[in-house]
Amino acid sequence: EVQLVESGGGVVQPGGSLRLSCAASGFTFSSYDMNWVRQAPGKGLEWISYVSSSGTDIFYADSVRGRFTISRDNAKSSLYLQMNSLKAEDTALYYCARDDGWDGYWGQGTLVTVSS
Amino acid sequence: DIQMTQSPSSVSASVGDRVTITCRASENINVWLAWYQQKPGKAPEVLIYAASDLQNGVPSRFSGSGSGTHFTLTITNVQPEDFATYYCQQSNSFPRTFGQGTKLEI
Repeated sequence: EVQLVESGGGVVQPGGSLRLSCAASGFTFSSYDMNWVRQAPGKGLEWISYVSSSGTDIFYADSVRGRFTISRDNAKSSLYLQMNSLKAEDTALYYCARDDGWDGYWGQGTLVTVSS
Repeated sequence: DIQMTQSPSSVSASVGDRVTITCRASENINVWLAWYQQKPGKAPEVLIYAASDLQNGVPSRFSGSGSGTHFTLTITNVQPEDFATYYCQQSNSFPRTFGQGTKLEI
């Protein structure tokens, strides 16, 4: 069974940093591209970053480029999102998702709240 | 960036109705479109990928069609468990973009 479990969310002040993790199991993690998608409270879905299976190809949404860094450790079957210079508008539930050409599997999300 | 425009933003239906949701892309995305269902407090789940392919385990009352810039999600014989929010997403190019969502209400 495919499982994706996010962690690392919490409350952080504006300008602060957080590192999100996504632990994958039930499939060969190193064979799949991965995405981070977020959802602000009461709002729609926003794709924010992609990393290829090998880690060599990376893309970001304009809203996070230069502040967020996606990475992965295939030996640990884990995906990461380093978030720096956080803003109030980054407050959201952050999901990791397996890229099957579409987001075929999603975790349950980890909540990030940016507030003073 | 490719803009995805869903309509309507909300739709009211009764059990047994047929519902159609439309998604338009601002440029040609071939068939690189997926539809997701999201229930309150839950992660989204893919229903349809490649515009018209039904994800394993998804009831056959869900169907997708379209190519290029115009796509539809149709739910025939709406069931109580179908009341949720639906999103389209293009995966033709980065940044991947979602539609704004359509809430299916009783």
